[in-house]
Amino acid sequence: QVQLVQSGAEVKKPGSSVKVSCRASGGSFSTYAISWVRQAPGQGLEYMGGIIPMFNIANYEQKFQGRVTITADDSTGTGYMELSSLRSEDTAMYYCARGTGERTAFDIWGQGTMVTVSS
Amino acid sequence: DIVMTQSPDSLAVSLGERATINCKSSQSVLYSSNNNNFLAWYQQKPGQPPKLLINWASTRESGVPDRFSGSGSGTDFTLTISSLQAEDVAVYYCQQYYRTPLTFGQGTKVEIK
Repeated sequence: QVQLVQSGAEVKKPGSSVKVSCRASGGSFSTYAISWVRQAPGQGLEYMGGIIPMFNIANYEQKFQGRVTITADDSTGTGYMELSSLRSEDTAMYYCARGTGERTAFDIWGQGTMVTVSS
Repeated sequence: DIVMTQSPDSLAVSLGERATINCKSSQSVLYSSNNNNFLAWYQQKPGQPPKLLINWASTRESGVPDRFSGSGSGTDFTLTISSLQAEDVAVYYCQQYYRTPLTFGQGTKVEIK
């Protein structure tokens, strides 16, 4: 059974960057889509973007264009999401999630990575 | 972007009673060539990531109790919990995956009355 294991919690200063990882264990990686979804405290789910490692082409929600970079390392089965120019509003739980294609539901989710932006 | 709007924002239902959540998309998520609706429902309990309950608008995921059902087509969809159990207390989200960005509804909180 495939699991997505994310990196640990981060505390960052405003204006800095954070890079969160998501490692797939127990199954195939490259042919699936890995997406990133964030959830601010007490709020709903917000799609940030995704990538299919085999094609290595990412798509981004327009709101995050220019600030987010989504990549994948097929050799290690790991996806990454880097968010720059952090501000307090970026404080949230960040999830990676797997889809069987670019336009499919997310059947497996990582456990989440809490990113806190505070001076 | 396709905007997903859920109603109500919250509801309280007695144990064993029916809970109904609605989801409306700003444009159709029905792919006419295969007649599939690109619509999913998720359940999120406190402190946990979301869990996929239903995709293609009405297909239950493996292991999901049959008291959960999805219906609808085009722009209007419904998630029904036929007999609410204590473990169903959660926030439920609909999501369209017809077009990127893959947008979610704002969520519906289900509680016990």
